[in-house]
Amino acid sequence: AQSVTQPDIHITVSEGASLELRCNYSYGATPYLFWYVQSPGQGLQLLLKYFSGDTLVQGIKGFEAEFKRSQSSFNLRKPSVHWSDAAEYFCAGNPNFGNEKLTFGTGTRLTIIP
Amino acid sequence: NAGVTQTPKFRVLKTGQSMTLLCAQDMNHEYMYWYRQDPGMGLRLIHYSVGEGTTAKGEVPDGYNVSRLKKQNFLLGLESAAPSQTSVYFCASRPPQGARTEAFFGQGTRLTVV
Repeated sequence: AQSVTQPDIHITVSEGASLELRCNYSYGATPYLFWYVQSPGQGLQLLLKYFSGDTLVQGIKGFEAEFKRSQSSFNLRKPSVHWSDAAEYFCAGNPNFGNEKLTFGTGTRLTIIP
Repeated sequence: NAGVTQTPKFRVLKTGQSMTLLCAQDMNHEYMYWYRQDPGMGLRLIHYSVGEGTTAKGEVPDGYNVSRLKKQNFLLGLESAAPSQTSVYFCASRPPQGARTEAFFGQGTRLTVV
């Protein structure tokens, strides 16, 4: 089935350390990919998106993600995390333009320790 | 700007009861979605709509029905609620460019079926 997969359920990182959250996709063509963040008790906010062009995309709050076709991955990174980054992160994807079925991975919960 | 508004925010149902969740958006968006969020399962797509008068099944449609009689509203119905439908339900909408665009989310409806 066409989908995205997040292999890490929970990640703990020290404040100030670097972060990488993994996302793999399984679509036939180059999909449209997104990263969303959900703070406790809140809705979802878009961090960044990719649909063509430069494979390194910049987002809000200092996040970036790199699209790697050879690895079917779209990993989210941040050079130095802040305590306020503690949240749940979701990778999401659309198969291609004209197919608006947007599906999400199972999420990665990020804990920040002092 | 109201954005995406879900009604109600909380509800407790008894098994077998019916109810309708309302999602309203004031952004003139074409696409609307209903998801359920359960621990460890991420967001799973229930049904979605690509325009007024159209609906399509998502990943977990059983036990739910939807209607999109007006462009701005997307209704999710539970005809006979079951404890397995205890979840947090999120509605989202996207503009006409569809697959390339950000989905805007409501704040969620917490439903408990006892």
